Amino acid sequence: DTGVSQDPRHKITKRGQNVTFRCDPISEHNRLYWYRQTLGQGPEFLTYFQNEAQLEKSRLLSDRFSAERPKGSFSTLEIQRTEQGDSAMYLCASSSGQNPQETQYFGPGTRLLVL
Amino acid sequence: DQQVKQNSPSLSVQEGRISILNCDYTNSMFDYFLWYKKYPAEGPTFLISISSIKDKNEDGRFTVFLNKSAKHLSLHIVPSQPGDSAVYFCAAHRTYKYIFGTGTRLKVLA
Repeated sequence: DTGVSQDPRHKITKRGQNVTFRCDPISEHNRLYWYRQTLGQGPEFLTYFQNEAQLEKSRLLSDRFSAERPKGSFSTLEIQRTEQGDSAMYLCASSSGQNPQETQYFGPGTRLLVL
Repeated sequence: DQQVKQNSPSLSVQEGRISILNCDYTNSMFDYFLWYKKYPAEGPTFLISISSIKDKNEDGRFTVFLNKSAKHLSLHIVPSQPGDSAVYFCAAHRTYKYIFGTGTRLKVLA
């Protein structure tokens, strides 16, 4: 297993367009997280899945953002009608959920630039 | 509402000396804490964690100390190596959520 992968690594889009990012977690990891990171800040929690169920969603996630994990494996994060303020690094992480003090493994991120 | 704070944006240390990175938190409900290291163009990499019921955890050159009464944790790296130069994030966990600090950029000088 090569770890958490994300696609694309970079995305440039025009304001108002929709974008979709994909995350493939480590196989058999049932927990999956999405984060957003802007310059000079730490990763900011967006949403959390346990298997296919979305159990937690940040207040920061406006109605333009939606995430899915249809079969409990890969996940997608869609941003509709992008705004310049959406420009950030979008990080995905997964964990096994097998112990209380578990480690999250992060992917390399998708860097989004909205022009 | 910044529940996890890293007040030092940067730190420079001579190779072989100790690096001490600090983190403060406000929520006493956090049940464990983690440190991550991040290189440019990569996602954060887990370093070490500590349960809220412990006050110290050690893994090789890395030791994390937790002072619950002060709501403060620190990461000690001894001895520091040039390859340790990166951004370090502390994170706190509660109910599926991980709250990250803003990071401290460590530079280890050869």
